[in-house]
Amino acid sequence: DTGVSQNPRHKITKRGQNVTFRCDPISEHNRLYWYRQTLGQGPEFLTYFQNEAQLEKSRLLSDRFSAERPKGSFSTLEIQRTEQGDSAMYLCASSERLSRWIEQFFGPGTRLTVL
Amino acid sequence: GENVEQHPSTLSVQEGDSAVIKCTYSDSASNYFPWYKQELGKGPQLIIDIRSNVGEKKDQRIAVTLNKTAKHFSLHITETQPEDSAVYFCAAIGGNEKLTFGTGTRLTIIP
Repeated sequence: DTGVSQNPRHKITKRGQNVTFRCDPISEHNRLYWYRQTLGQGPEFLTYFQNEAQLEKSRLLSDRFSAERPKGSFSTLEIQRTEQGDSAMYLCASSERLSRWIEQFFGPGTRLTVL
Repeated sequence: GENVEQHPSTLSVQEGDSAVIKCTYSDSASNYFPWYKQELGKGPQLIIDIRSNVGEKKDQRIAVTLNKTAKHFSLHITETQPEDSAVYFCAAIGGNEKLTFGTGTRLTIIP
């Protein structure tokens, strides 16, 4: 399977705990994006990387959130001291930046439930 | 920043009929407009896209139109089938190179 993969697919945690999600992009893609999707809404942009450089972070990304992409390959998204409001689907997407057109391909997501 | 509005929020059509979903965007610098299909418990799947240098694109039963002057674009699905039932999202990429999504349309195909 050469698509975007995410692990774990589901995570249940207690409020105050730390969680970490992993995304493996399509191998030749140099851009990697994180989105958050709550029930009944479209995905909302969180942050993105060009290779290993984190180029932009949304205001949605509080200080408790951190993302890394060491060596420009896989990426991790960590949430510290989780809150019930963090419950959502966390989606990863990747793309290969060619000229002006940026097709983004999504993984299956990690569904986080904070109790 | 970009703002994308999508209508309707729910749509039910008889199998075999056509479905149309419409979106408007605010950023005149937006130049790429993908459509995604999302099934329950899965990530969004890119089904078709259109770029600002064309007005219409078709792929089998799916077509998308773009009116840059009016800043709106539409998804057309013809000869609908039960497997077309899903949530559909429009999106736009503007000058900030980030996808902004609409709020989604839940499409139900009635057998």
